[in-house]
Amino acid sequence: AQSVTQLDSQVPVFEEAPVELRCNYSSSVSVYLFWYVQYPNQGLQLLLKYLSGSTLVKGINGFEAEFNKSQTSFHLRKPSVHISDTAEYFCAVTPNQAGTALIFGKGTTLSVSS
Amino acid sequence: EAGVAQSPRYKIIEKRQSVAFWCNPISGHATLYWYQQILGQGPKLLIQFQNNGVVDDSQLPKDRFSAERLKGVDSTLKIQPAKLEDSAVYLCASSRTGGSGNTIYFGEGSWLTVV
Repeated sequence: AQSVTQLDSQVPVFEEAPVELRCNYSSSVSVYLFWYVQYPNQGLQLLLKYLSGSTLVKGINGFEAEFNKSQTSFHLRKPSVHISDTAEYFCAVTPNQAGTALIFGKGTTLSVSS
Repeated sequence: EAGVAQSPRYKIIEKRQSVAFWCNPISGHATLYWYQQILGQGPKLLIQFQNNGVVDDSQLPKDRFSAERLKGVDSTLKIQPAKLEDSAVYLCASSRTGGSGNTIYFGEGSWLTVV
C-alpha cells in the first residue's frame, strides 16, 4: 500500500519570500507523484506531476518540485511567493500501474502575508 | 472545454435523511472518481468507475453509500441514511483513461453538512 506524509500542516510566509512544502511517500512499487492546489471553495487543480525522466519538475504559477527516490521525497518549492498563492496544497501518489487512483496527503496550508 | 460539473454545491440535511449528488465529467473522459474530503484532511477515494463499470469501491461504506454511472457518462452518489460524520466535501473527478499517469481533473465539490 502507498501513503503520503506532508510534514507541515501550516506554513506562514511573507510575500516575495521563498517557500518549500515538504512531502514524503511510502511505497513498495514505483509511483507517480503529484502536487495539487486548492483555493478556498474550489476544487483541486494540478500544479505539476512527476512520471519519469528529469527529477526536477516545473509546474504552473512558478512552482517546481524535485523527486528524490533515495529519500522518498517530493518537495514543492517556489523562489518568491505572492499573496495569491495562499491556498491548501496537497501531495499525492499513485502506483505506476493502470486503474489506480490518487492517494492524498493531509495537505499543507500556505498563508502568504504582506 | 467545460470542466467537471457537480450539483448541488451546498446541502444541509438532518441525520438519517438521504441526499444525492450529481456529477458530469469532462466530455470523453472514461474514468470517473468520487472522493470524500473531510475538513482538515486530504481527499479519500470512495469509488472509481471505468466507463460504467466499477474499478475500485473498497473504501465506499456500502451500508449507506451507493453510486452509479449510467451509460458511462454522468454519475450519482447517494447517501442514505446520513450520519453526522458524513459531513464533508464530495469531489467528483475525471480522467481520459484509467492510466495512473493521466491528469485527474476535479470539480468544485458538493459541500454536505449533516445536523
